[in-house]
Amino acid sequence: DAGITQSPRHKVTETGTPVTLRCHQTENHRYMYWYRQDPGHGLRLIHYSYGVKDTDKGEVSDGYSVSRSKTEDFLLTLESATSSQTSVYFCAISDGGDEQYFGPGTRLTVT
Amino acid sequence: AQTVTQSQPEMSVQEAETVTLSCTYDTSESDYYLFWYKQPPSRQMILVIRQEAYKQQNATENRFSVNFQKAAKSFSLKISDSQLGDAAMYFCAYRSFLAGGTSYGKLTFGQGTILTVHP
Repeated sequence: DAGITQSPRHKVTETGTPVTLRCHQTENHRYMYWYRQDPGHGLRLIHYSYGVKDTDKGEVSDGYSVSRSKTEDFLLTLESATSSQTSVYFCAISDGGDEQYFGPGTRLTVT
Repeated sequence: AQTVTQSQPEMSVQEAETVTLSCTYDTSESDYYLFWYKQPPSRQMILVIRQEAYKQQNATENRFSVNFQKAAKSFSLKISDSQLGDAAMYFCAYRSFLAGGTSYGKLTFGQGTILTVHP
């Protein structure tokens, strides 16, 4: 299995608080992605990174920001969490080949 | 933008029988990849099978095979000899064939199909 970890694995937070999710990889892959999974929508891309300090928006980026200061870490930040951001968040990595490898997911609940 | 549609929210099959999950997609691109992912209750995303659009031959992986109809933009997954361990959510996904660049590798997913396997 590809070495991808996500932390925390579960989090409950209150509306209006900042939240940061971390994705850590040990594969030295160039590309990293953040997706959210919601019933009826499958997985949707939030942001992605194509190198250190190189990031771009996905289809559901409003309310989220990302940072990648080193190859192995990709952070997803909710500046002010809202109930609509309650979801399961997946990180994925790729070396540029046709397969993406997914992390175990983080379940975030915003009350 | 590409879209992927899975019109079957739920499917069920008897153990040892065959089941087919449907997926359609919309794209203006001629070269791309298509994937089926399995997500068991553990939430882990597992790649089941991939298909390159430029290959006419349908991909197969053991009991899993696809029926790729490029003109119809259809990509169905057939599971033969279904096993209890096949019970999961299945996602169809699309990826552009763009080589390199900043947009490389983004996946567009369908809504998912929950597969139940009855003993």
